[in-house]
Amino acid sequence: DAGITQSPRHKVTETGTPVTLRCHQTENHRYMYWYRQDPGHGLRLIHYSYGVKDTDKGEVSDGYSVSRSKTEDFLLTLESATSSQTSVYFCAISETYNWGGRNTEAFFGQGTRLTVV
Amino acid sequence: QQQVKQSPQSLIVQKGGISIINCAYENTAFDYFPWYQQFPGKGPALLIAIRPDVSEKKEGRFTISFNKSAKQFSLHIMDSQPGDSATYFCAASKGGGADGLTFGKGTHLIIQP
Repeated sequence: DAGITQSPRHKVTETGTPVTLRCHQTENHRYMYWYRQDPGHGLRLIHYSYGVKDTDKGEVSDGYSVSRSKTEDFLLTLESATSSQTSVYFCAISETYNWGGRNTEAFFGQGTRLTVV
Repeated sequence: QQQVKQSPQSLIVQKGGISIINCAYENTAFDYFPWYQQFPGKGPALLIAIRPDVSEKKEGRFTISFNKSAKQFSLHIMDSQPGDSATYFCAASKGGGADGLTFGKGTHLIIQP
């Protein structure tokens, strides 16, 4: 799985509690992403990072924050978890090449199943 | 606004048949169109991808057909096998994909023996 480790793999938490999910890569790829997967919605981008301390919002960023203090680690935080954030969360990494070269492949982790009760 | 529409939601094909999944996109800035395959409990994995300067790309039993004027692309799986049973996602990105992928909602494919 391209050297991507997500932790924890499963978590159950109560509404209103903070939750942090971790993505760790050993590929030294520049770009890292957090997606959520829900039935009937496919995968939707939450936040992404294009370098250490450089992050930006995706399609469904409300209620989430991220941090990237090292190339290898990208953290996703739910400041106050809600039931609507029950989902499977995937981290992905990629490295973008020049236009004339091969478009990057995004490698995905195994996912974290989060249940907010 | 759903930028990538995928159909059908589910598909059942007999072993040896052709599986066809279709996608349509709205954003003309998209310039990279990958297909991902996902097995239960696993993350999506890249299957095949195409850029809009070609109309078709084939890798083994998997072919992408791309129609730029219609803003549509499709995945064809020839000689479908039970091991192909999975969920398939089309996706699109622009500018090298640095700002992430926009996914379709997925197709659950079942290949009957």
